[in-house]
Amino acid sequence: AQSVTQPDIHITVSEGASLELRCNYSYGATPYLFWYVQSPGQGLQLLLKYFSGDTLVQGIKGFEAEFKRSQSSFNLRKPSVHWSDAAEYFCAVGAVQAGTALIFGKGTTLSVSS
Amino acid sequence: GAVVSQHPSRVICKSGTSVKIECRSLDFQATTMFWYRQFPKQSLMLMATSNEGSKATYEQGVEKDKFLINHASLTLSTLTVTSAHPEDSSFYICSARAAPAGGSTEAFFGQGTRLTVV
Repeated sequence: AQSVTQPDIHITVSEGASLELRCNYSYGATPYLFWYVQSPGQGLQLLLKYFSGDTLVQGIKGFEAEFKRSQSSFNLRKPSVHWSDAAEYFCAVGAVQAGTALIFGKGTTLSVSS
Repeated sequence: GAVVSQHPSRVICKSGTSVKIECRSLDFQATTMFWYRQFPKQSLMLMATSNEGSKATYEQGVEKDKFLINHASLTLSTLTVTSAHPEDSSFYICSARAAPAGGSTEAFFGQGTRLTVV
């Protein structure tokens, strides 16, 4: 079955501390992986994506993610969290073909403490 | 990048009435669009895949007579919630995938529609 697992429902990080959000996937074909961020009541903003090439992907807002095929993981990281990073983060997987929908994880809520 | 516009962003309707949500791809043609539903503090659940010129494909458990999808052109898909009830209150998001020049396909999302049925 195709699925995305985000094991952490809620994470609290101190401002300035590092962050890692976990994502594991199960997908029958070559996966196309995404991380999105959503602020309350808002749509989704793409942070970064991976299909092929360098397994360490740089995104916007200082985020990066590393694809590890052997672990079926695509964890999101940021070296120093800012209070404005508090939001909901979703990992998603899909096929390359434009006619296929993305499958989302349940999301991780990030809180930032001062 | 490609833009998907969704309208309205917020709607309040009375129980028993119908509500139409529009999703437009502004600068690209989308033969396929996707409709998701998001409950508070939960993930996006795929409701249906909308195909231009043909019937939509609904996910298991989604009532096709309740959620009518029309994809009449390559740039417009609509979701109509018929005879809405309070349990239909939710955040609905549309999406389309496109390949920016020189790149692989990405997924672009509308801003979402907050539906409240009173």
